[in-house]
Amino acid sequence: GQQLNQSPQSMFIQEGEDVSMNCTSSSIFNTWLWYKQDPGEGPVLLIALYKAGELTSNGRLTAQFGITRKDSFLNISASIPSDVGIYFCAGTYSGNTPLVFGKGTRLSVIA
Amino acid sequence: EPEVTQTPSHQVTQMGQEVILRCVPISNHLYFYWYRQILGQKVEFLVSFYNNEISEKSEIFDDQFSVERPDGSNFTLKIRSTKLEDSAMYFCASSEGQQYGYTFGSGTRLTVV
Repeated sequence: GQQLNQSPQSMFIQEGEDVSMNCTSSSIFNTWLWYKQDPGEGPVLLIALYKAGELTSNGRLTAQFGITRKDSFLNISASIPSDVGIYFCAGTYSGNTPLVFGKGTRLSVIA
Repeated sequence: EPEVTQTPSHQVTQMGQEVILRCVPISNHLYFYWYRQILGQKVEFLVSFYNNEISEKSEIFDDQFSVERPDGSNFTLKIRSTKLEDSAMYFCASSEGQQYGYTFGSGTRLTVV
């Protein structure tokens, strides 16, 4: 099946720092999504991207749908302790296929 | 904010027993999904359901698994004869369309002993 390569696997950052993580695919994707998962909870949608080149913000979060349609990044500015969690990229490569997930980036914020 | 509701939140079962995991998707959503997440690993697709039938399933979704929409609101996942390796978080999700963001429930933690 489709594989998404997400990096980095984990990050330890100081509170107030900016964070960047990305996802690549070997296939063209039509939709890129970024989710956050807190311990014991389901993934929560942060940002959805539907067009190549699209840059979308949600508060301190910014994500872009790569021009090649094979990658996406998520930036978090001025991190705070509640940003801690696992961030997953996800995407679909056609309108008829279900969402596939990356392996996640575990973010730790040191106060 | 509409949400997907899953019950139970935790289930412990003996190997070989049948379990049914329940979900109430968002009412105006048309697509329903089950995903699972083994501890510390990524979220894996199991099955998608649209128009009262399975639209796609993964290789994980073998003959031990089945899904049903028994009425207008519930969406269930049945595991016929559980194995130790079925222990995982099971997430239900729903969406307006497959190309749109899915809304996930909080999950059912299944432990097979």
